[in-house]
Amino acid sequence: KAGVTQTPRYLIKTRGQQVTLSCSPISGHRSVSWYQQTPGQGLQFLFEYFSETQRNKGNFPGRFSGRQFSNSRSEMNVSTLELGDSALYLCASSLVASESNEQFFGPGTRLTVL
Amino acid sequence: GEDVEQSLFLSVREGDSSVINCTYTDSSSTYLYWYKQEPGAGLQLLTYIFSNMDMKQDQRLTVLLNKKDKHLSLRIADTQTGDSAIYFCAARVRGGGADGLTFGKGTHLIIQP
Repeated sequence: KAGVTQTPRYLIKTRGQQVTLSCSPISGHRSVSWYQQTPGQGLQFLFEYFSETQRNKGNFPGRFSGRQFSNSRSEMNVSTLELGDSALYLCASSLVASESNEQFFGPGTRLTVL
Repeated sequence: GEDVEQSLFLSVREGDSSVINCTYTDSSSTYLYWYKQEPGAGLQLLTYIFSNMDMKQDQRLTVLLNKKDKHLSLRIADTQTGDSAIYFCAARVRGGGADGLTFGKGTHLIIQP
């Protein structure tokens, strides 16, 4: 069974631009979560989607948004990029959206904002 | 909210056991996880433990949970060079509206030959 895939793997943008990252969960998994990983803040939760609905949201500004499609694939969008948005963005999928289900992570998208 | 703490570095000799420690603050945390991250890669789930368990063993990995002290540990027996990575402890709190997983900052495991 294929794992979680994320595209693109690497991205370079400039301040003020916007970016869209994509995540394909493991087949059959309906819950997708997004995390931001930086050296200073570590791993921080962005949001969680289940059945095309945002179920939970972390403490990030409205420039960060996401969505989930009917095939469970998810995208996250960051508008008006800032230097501090440079990070590894990780997507994780789980079978159902409950706390009992372990999350499986993709390799991440490395975003660099210049 | 939940806060998860880990020491930043651990250095062990190849062949010895490694013990990585983690503390958390929210006693309602129901599931506690250990993830491994190798350079340039995402997070790999190693193991997890439910809050009603004290210990879980899986091959070279042993997880111990002390609910009273809110302390979690991961023991890796016979540590090998391939175990060199960052190990993250994570907690998930019971109930709807949980903000996903709360991660520690990660422990860098350094293997000495």
